[in-house]
Amino acid sequence: NAGVTQTPKFRILKIGQSMTLQCAQDMNHNYMYWYRQDPGMGLKLIYYSVGAGITDKGEVPNGYNVSRSTTEDFPLRLELAAPSQTSVYFCASSYNARSQPQHFGDGTRLSIL
Amino acid sequence: DQQVKQNSPSLSVQEGRISILNCDYTNSMFDYFLWYKKYPAEGPTFLISISSIKDKNEDGRFTVFLNKSAKHLSLHIVPSQPGDSAVYFCAAQGYGNKLVFGAGTILRVKS
Repeated sequence: NAGVTQTPKFRILKIGQSMTLQCAQDMNHNYMYWYRQDPGMGLKLIYYSVGAGITDKGEVPNGYNVSRSTTEDFPLRLELAAPSQTSVYFCASSYNARSQPQHFGDGTRLSIL
Repeated sequence: DQQVKQNSPSLSVQEGRISILNCDYTNSMFDYFLWYKKYPAEGPTFLISISSIKDKNEDGRFTVFLNKSAKHLSLHIVPSQPGDSAVYFCAAQGYGNKLVFGAGTILRVKS
């Protein structure tokens, strides 16, 4: 019963490098989300997807890209890593958009030096 | 502009007593509210939710109260247990599917 799986758990990047954070869910959820959590702050929405092939920006999308080619996978891409992107990244999914709890992965801790 | 605020960064409670975690919101369009619990190195776990058509929802030791006129909700945990020690996030949803999260409250339950 995996739920939402995120890889890697930890990563250190140099400024200007790029990487992809992976997220997969096995609950057949239509909706998937990427959040970041900075110290002492709540989770902020980066991007979300309402189904395969459909994505939209959240509150803090700058510096990130996403794609959704399948129902299960929702990768988050950082093209030119900057120190301001040091954060913990959480992926989540939900069956419906409204009045349904989102289920979270265990996060990716990313440091950019 | 914080639409969801958890004004207490931390709370310490004795085992067996009641824990009360508070959350205030500013957007009157929010109509669904959730509490999440988070342990270190894990993702948030859904705890309990409430729709704006209700003022109370109960699930075992956890009860959420909603006061729409005051734009305030609270989570009561009775009795508190050491395993309840975690960070608790309040979240709100309005039109659309986006959740807005508070900054969290660290709960420590002392045995």
